[in-house]
Amino acid sequence: DIQMTQSPSSLSASVGDRVTITCRASQSITTYLNWYQQKPGKAPKLLIYAASSLQSGVPSRFSGSGSGTDFTLTISGLQPEDFATYYCQQSYTTPLYTFGQGTKLEIK
Amino acid sequence: EVQLEESGGGLVKPGESLRLSCAASGFTFSSAWMSWVRQAPGKGLEWVGRIKSKADGGTTDYAAPVEGRFIISRDDSQNTLYLQMNSLKTEDTAVYFCTTVAYHSVWRSYGTYDYYYYMDVWGTGGTVTVSS
Repeated sequence: DIQMTQSPSSLSASVGDRVTITCRASQSITTYLNWYQQKPGKAPKLLIYAASSLQSGVPSRFSGSGSGTDFTLTISGLQPEDFATYYCQQSYTTPLYTFGQGTKLEIK
Repeated sequence: EVQLEESGGGLVKPGESLRLSCAASGFTFSSAWMSWVRQAPGKGLEWVGRIKSKADGGTTDYAAPVEGRFIISRDDSQNTLYLQMNSLKTEDTAVYFCTTVAYHSVWRSYGTYDYYYYMDVWGTGGTVTVSS
């Protein structure tokens, strides 16, 4: 099974900051990597698919990069509504999808 | 507006059964691949299983922890997805989300498509509690 590890598990940042979240796969998944945002008590929301493609309607301050085993989600210019938990997900072994453990982004 | 809404959750004892429903609207449900994802209290997301559209065979796949106990089905005439959960365990306690499964296709020079699957529409979630 492919394991997905996110780092950090949590981080504090301020409005306007640039933030990077990392996701590492236990083996190469080329670019079969998605990112989701989840706010407390709400369903996850798709942000990025295929490692770097922005889902329709998602603000351009969100971007994704990486291939192979190492991926990043970058938020350029944090907004108050961006404080949430972020999950990566691999679809290389579709349909056996695996999520990372999540990264909680909190207000400093 | 594309919407998914789960129902049927509740409190059951270990070993009992429960069926969740997911009502779909705003899109052509019969053409959609659908999945279930769960989230235990205070924990991360865990994929549960997927069902293809009938046009693509209607086949199902499950995560190892639920294989043999859970059954995903669909009623395209009612635009409804189901999750039948049998032999429930305390570790099945979670919020269960239904999702659509979409894909992005890329043509490769070696003469085939690569399909990048993702979950693009999520329901609000239904709570299942398994406790004695």
